Amino acid sequence: NFMLTQPHSVSESPGKTVTISCTRSSGSIASNYVQWYQQRPGGAPTTVISEDNQRPSGVPDRFSGSIDSSSNSASLTISGLKTEDEADYYCQSYDSSAWVFGGGTKLTVL
Amino acid sequence: EVQLVQSGAEVKKPGESLKISCKGSGYSFTSYWIGWVRQMPGKGLEWMGSIYAGDSDTRYRPSFQGQVTISADKSISTAYLQWSSLKASDTAMYYCVKGRNFDYWGQGTLVTVSS
Repeated sequence: NFMLTQPHSVSESPGKTVTISCTRSSGSIASNYVQWYQQRPGGAPTTVISEDNQRPSGVPDRFSGSIDSSSNSASLTISGLKTEDEADYYCQSYDSSAWVFGGGTKLTVL
Repeated sequence: EVQLVQSGAEVKKPGESLKISCKGSGYSFTSYWIGWVRQMPGKGLEWMGSIYAGDSDTRYRPSFQGQVTISADKSISTAYLQWSSLKASDTAMYYCVKGRNFDYWGQGTLVTVSS
């Protein structure tokens, strides 16, 4: 099976833009959809990006997703950072028999 | 409105059995996978396994195979996660998730195993 690798933590100032990467260890990143979840302290995860780049209803357009086959990675970009964006973010994908999460990235907005 | 509503928090002793539940509503329960995700204290998300509610086809992450059982009762749109003999290391928050893309999450069930 494959692994998804994320940076352990990132930090940025309010109003700025941050990008969180998610690199697939084997197999093509484009072969299966990638999802991104936000988990605020004490809360359940919620979906911020589905199917590589789709924003569910209610998710601000400051959140965007993309994939890059050359680096075999997916990215979550958050623009116009707000303090409320401070959370853990997880990428997720699957192959024929298994679902896989990245290790999570702690975003600090300071 | 799609909802996944999980059963309440549990406190158990090592060696005891447990079955927690996840009731789906607002969508066609039998047309989607339902998965279970573990989050140990202070740690990340781990997929444990998923069941296709329509035909009960079940997939497990290898490290959870034989340690838990996932089942579903489509007559009441409910999925289950059960243990036959709990360990202290099973202490965690457990979430159920809908579909292949985990587009909806339950509120979580906290399981505490302590002597």
